[in-house]
Amino acid sequence: DAGVIQSPRHEVTEMGQEVTLRCKPISGHNSLFWYRQTMMRGLELLIYFNNNVPIDDSGMPEDRFSAKMPNASFSTLKIQPSEPRDSAVYFCASSLARGTYSYNEQFFGPGTRLTVL
Amino acid sequence: SQQGEEDPQALSIQEGENATMNCSYKTSINNLQWYRQNSGRGLVHLILIRSNEREKHSGRLRVTLDTSKKSSSLLITASRAADTASYFCATDGPGAGSYQLTFGKGTKLSVIP
Repeated sequence: DAGVIQSPRHEVTEMGQEVTLRCKPISGHNSLFWYRQTMMRGLELLIYFNNNVPIDDSGMPEDRFSAKMPNASFSTLKIQPSEPRDSAVYFCASSLARGTYSYNEQFFGPGTRLTVL
Repeated sequence: SQQGEEDPQALSIQEGENATMNCSYKTSINNLQWYRQNSGRGLVHLILIRSNEREKHSGRLRVTLDTSKKSSSLLITASRAADTASYFCATDGPGAGSYQLTFGKGTKLSVIP
């Protein structure tokens, strides 16, 4: 298995531009998570999906951020318009959630390092 | 807000020594996990301990959990230079079907050869 795949690995863009980050979870996993990591705030959960349905998006900073999961093998995180304070490393993770109390080890992708100038 | 808080924030030891990192959390949990992050990489799961367990071992790792104190510790024995990384605790729960993890800010471990 290739693990969680994210693209691009690095993105440099100018303020005001649209940014789209992509994630392919591990095949068979039913939960997908988007995180943002910065030195100041650490690792923050932005949104998570279960069976392609957004369950909790309370971590999405503002309306400029949106996420979709059109099928079990693909998700996007979009920032429009981007701002310099969005600069961070964005991680996608997936897991197999089973039952009421599940062993929900999460598998992380390599991350996308976003720089907004 | 962060559920888990690791302590210390940074730790520097000589190769061969043991490294101990602590994690405290605020609310009741189902499970507590430890992850490692090498520089420039994603997080990698190390070990999970359930709320009804007190201690767990995996190779050179030993994790303890004290739910009465809402704290956990990760011990890495006989450290190696390759153990240099940041270590995060992550908690889930409370409640059934709680698939979200809340991560602390991590302990940065440096193992000097």
